[in-house]
Amino acid sequence: NAGVMQNPRHLVRRRGQEARLRCSPMKGHSHVYWYRQLPEEGLKFMVYLQKENIIDESGMPKERFSAEFPKEGPSILRIQQVVRGDSAAYFCASSPPFGSSGNTIYFGEGSWLTVV
Amino acid sequence: AQSVTQLDSQVPVFEEAPVELRCNYSSSVSVYLFWYVQYPNQGLQLLLKYLSGSTLVKGINGFEAEFNKSQTSFHLRKPSVHISDTAEYFCAVSTGGSNYKLTFGKGTLLTVNP
Repeated sequence: NAGVMQNPRHLVRRRGQEARLRCSPMKGHSHVYWYRQLPEEGLKFMVYLQKENIIDESGMPKERFSAEFPKEGPSILRIQQVVRGDSAAYFCASSPPFGSSGNTIYFGEGSWLTVV
Repeated sequence: AQSVTQLDSQVPVFEEAPVELRCNYSSSVSVYLFWYVQYPNQGLQLLLKYLSGSTLVKGINGFEAEFNKSQTSFHLRKPSVHISDTAEYFCAVSTGGSNYKLTFGKGTLLTVNP
């Protein structure tokens, strides 16, 4: 049973470009979460999605960031007009509906974004 | 809102020595507690979790943690560490209302020396 799959693992973008990070949840998981890890910081919650719905985006920056989880295909975190401060590791996690996994979410290996 | 404090940013130890990584949390409601490990350039792996029941929780790789409600702590311990335990360890908390939203500490870098 494959884990949470993220790609690309490493991405370099110039300031002003767009970054797209993809996440395929574990098989059987319908809930996806995105977290960001800034240098020397713990992970911080960004957004929680179910298929075709954003459930909680309270951690998303107000501008330039968006996320989707379409009916078909992976979840995508999109960052427009990247700036140096967006350089971070972006982790996707997934879970089945809560109550069936002991409230555990499972993380992918992360996508490291470097803005030059 | 909850918060997590990991009291030590770095913990160096020698191989086969015991180790304790400290974690304190603050929350006005009941919490679920987690420890994750992150090896260099890898994702987070769940070590153990406390949801309810016994306050002593055993996890993978010989780690265990004890939930202490009165001291609002969830310290991680291992009686004898290996070189391969060198990694960053994160304590995290979530609450019942939005239990998908983990609040993480800043991490403790455990370095095991020969």
